[in-house]
Parts: sequence; structure tokens; C-alpha cells
Amino acid sequence: DVKVTQSSRYLVKRTGEKVFLECVQDMDHENMFWYRQDPGLGLRLIYFSYDVKMKEKGDIPEGYSVSREKKERFSLILESASTNQTSMYLCASSFQGRLREQYFGPGTRLTVT
Amino acid sequence: AQSVTQPDIHITVSEGASLELRCNYSYGATPYLFWYVQSPGQGLQLLLKYFSGDTLVQGIKGFEAEFKRSQSSFNLRKPSVHWSDAAEYFCAVGAVNSGNTPLVFGKGTRLSVIA
Repeated sequence: DVKVTQSSRYLVKRTGEKVFLECVQDMDHENMFWYRQDPGLGLRLIYFSYDVKMKEKGDIPEGYSVSREKKERFSLILESASTNQTSMYLCASSFQGRLREQYFGPGTRLTVT
Repeated sequence: AQSVTQPDIHITVSEGASLELRCNYSYGATPYLFWYVQSPGQGLQLLLKYFSGDTLVQGIKGFEAEFKRSQSSFNLRKPSVHWSDAAEYFCAVGAVNSGNTPLVFGKGTRLSVIA
């Protein structure tokens, strides 16, 4: 079974703090993704990576950065958290090519106060 | 570019009734198509996928979906809904010729099940 784990299920941070969300997958997937999910807006892609040290901006990269130093790990960084970044954050991973279904982690509910 | 529309934001069905969730996509060729389910507070779980071949695909939990090229649709169906099916459902499309591009997701349909 594919397993995608996220470092925290719930996180509460203060405005201005630097926040790290970590994601680890155990299936040797090349691709990894970070989404945020808000009611009525569905999933919005923040960043994705198709290889170690490679990253691509998604639809809403502003206020976020990412790091992928190892194939199995993809980190999302909020440089200075703001209240409008309160959301559910979902990590996913996939192979490249035909078998490209994405496997999701359980999500991190981040609250910024 | 691909896009996905799920016309129904929220659907309520009675337990035991049949279900159909609609999904329409926009893509220049035959895409890869997926349905995911998300239980409250959880991540997304893959229900089924279509790559090619038989246009009726079977998935987990008794779900099926039918690809209709002429209608650019990939509707999800279940003959008899159980209370545990209450969740949010997402349709997604992937580009056939690009191995790196992310799937494009619809905004989801929330399913409520009443007794």
C-alpha cells in the first residue's frame, strides 16, 4: 500500500511565524504536490516537484516556498504565516507517465492566529 | 489546458437510493480520468480511474463510472447508497501526453445521505 504521511494533523501558529509542513512518501514516486483546500474552492495547487531539487509553481504559490532535498520528502514552508493561510493542506505523490494517479496524505489543518 | 466541472455542489440522497454524480471535462484528446472520495477530516482516496479501453470502469466501494467521449463526461454512479458514502467527491483529469503535469481537480460534490 502506498503511504503518504504528513508531519502533523493539526497545527496552530501565530501570525508572522515560519511554518514547516513535511510530507513523506514511501513508494519511490517521482512527483510530489502540495495543495490547500478551502470550502467552496476545492483543491488549489500550491507547488509541485517532479524530481529532487526541482520545483514548479502551481496556481497559488504566493506566500509559500518548498524544498525537496530527498526523493521521498517534500516540505512546504510558510515564510511568515498570515491568517489567510489558515486552511487544510494536502500533500500528494505520484509516478510519472501513465500510472499517474495521485496518492494523498491525511492532511494538516493549519490555524494561524 | 484541461478543466473539470462538477455542476452539483451538494447532493442529498436517501439511504438505499441510487446515486449519480456528474463530471464534465475539457481536454483536446482522450484524457486520463479519476474519481476520488474524501471523508470528513481526511485526505483523498482514489475510487476509480479510466485510461483507455472499456468505457465503464468499476471501482472500490461498489462505485462505477462511465466515460462518454461525445458528452465529455465521466459520471460516477452507485446503485444503492449507504450512510457511510456521505463524503465529498472529486473528479480529476490528467493530460495523456505529459508525465509531469498535475491532475486538474473539480471543485467537488458533497454528498449527504439521509435515512
